[in-house]
Amino acid sequence: QQQVKQSPQSLIVQKGGISIINCAYENTAFDYFPWYQQFPGKGPALLIAIRPDVSEKKEGRFTISFNKSAKQFSLHIMDSQPGDSATYFCAASSLVTGANNLFFGTGTRLTVIP
Amino acid sequence: DTEVTQTPKHLVMGMTNKKSLKCEQHMGHRAMYWYKQKAKKPPELMFVYSYEKLSINESVPSRFSPECPNSSLLNLHLHALQPEDSALYLCASSHLSTVSYEQYFGPGTRLTVT
Repeated sequence: QQQVKQSPQSLIVQKGGISIINCAYENTAFDYFPWYQQFPGKGPALLIAIRPDVSEKKEGRFTISFNKSAKQFSLHIMDSQPGDSATYFCAASSLVTGANNLFFGTGTRLTVIP
Repeated sequence: DTEVTQTPKHLVMGMTNKKSLKCEQHMGHRAMYWYKQKAKKPPELMFVYSYEKLSINESVPSRFSPECPNSSLLNLHLHALQPEDSALYLCASSHLSTVSYEQYFGPGTRLTVT
């Protein structure tokens, strides 16, 4: 059972455009929602993360929007660049148990064309 | 410094071989994780160590044997693997804290079983 659902599976955006990736979850115990960026042959790199007590978090060109009532969160990449071409994973976890056991979405392959 | 290092970067082994993957972090994290990632899929959690004790084993076959010699090191011992075990093996670490949740991944070991 997929704990976190992610869409779209792939995304093609023109340079300078906005990339939007969406995720949804069911487990209301989740209280930490990170996004990871992964380039081919590399490990996932933490991009940005949000807690449920805020509705939006922005770091540079990357913004997470969080809708607690809808149990959805999304990543917006403003002014998308070819260097942003990578696979993006959303994830969720609950820290009640202590260790940060991440449940990943299925991933979105982003291609930014010049 | 948010670096997790993994060795080797690449490993080719036969089905009768015994090999080990190594992971190291110096961020003072007391939780360490092993993930397996197949091509175009999200990372799948295998094991979690909390305070150097195995806290989660996600029903991983016994041909994978984890070890946490100290708070900075994590090993994954491999024996009698199958070709379907070929994958990218990722190590990660995080605090065991409700203050800091970030989980950082290493670059991974690309394992090929022949």
